[in-house]
Amino acid sequence: DIQMTQSPSSLSASVGDRVTITCRASQPISSYLHWYQKKPGTAPKLLIYGASSLQSGVPSRFSGSESGTDYTLTISSLQPEDFATYYCQQSYSNPLTFGGGTKVDIK
Amino acid sequence: QLQESGPGLVKPSETLSLICTVSGDSISTTSYHWGWIRQPPGKGLEWIGNVYFTGSTDYNPSLKSRLNILVDTSKNQFSLELSSVTAADTAVYYCARRGKRFGYLDLWGRGTLVTVSS
Repeated sequence: DIQMTQSPSSLSASVGDRVTITCRASQPISSYLHWYQKKPGTAPKLLIYGASSLQSGVPSRFSGSESGTDYTLTISSLQPEDFATYYCQQSYSNPLTFGGGTKVDIK
Repeated sequence: QLQESGPGLVKPSETLSLICTVSGDSISTTSYHWGWIRQPPGKGLEWIGNVYFTGSTDYNPSLKSRLNILVDTSKNQFSLELSSVTAADTAVYYCARRGKRFGYLDLWGRGTLVTVSS
């Protein structure tokens, strides 16, 4: 199985801050990396697919990038509705695997 | 839209059964797989497996021996059966649509909590 190591596991930030979350794959995954936002009691929401493509309807303050086996989700200016837990997921090979999550809360 | 349904309480050693009803889209599309993901309380997301409209399946090896995912194209539904459950199977279970080409999960149900307890 491909292991996805996500960091940090949690962070505190203020509205307007730039936030960066990283996922490292245990082997090359050729951009088959996707990011989700999850809020308590709701289903995960797809934000970014293919490492850097913005899902329709997602604000442009969200962006994704990659460098080798490292993948990054950036929120350029954190908004109140962005406080949530974020997960990465690889689909390069089965079984699909997720990172452990990053909880973003209010400083 | 996806909607999970099924019992919220299952006894240990019994079989957990859930159905996902797909509306607004045909489950027989060639563009998607249809799958299940779960999240135990306080933990992260775990992919369970998925089914294609032909009946072809992919399963998480960690669950494969207890797992069955079926599709019913006449009802536009797919289902999950997980046998010999224990407390470790207590989780919110989500059904989701998986893109066939890139594998991302772009449409999810709201999730249903299944508790394994006597």
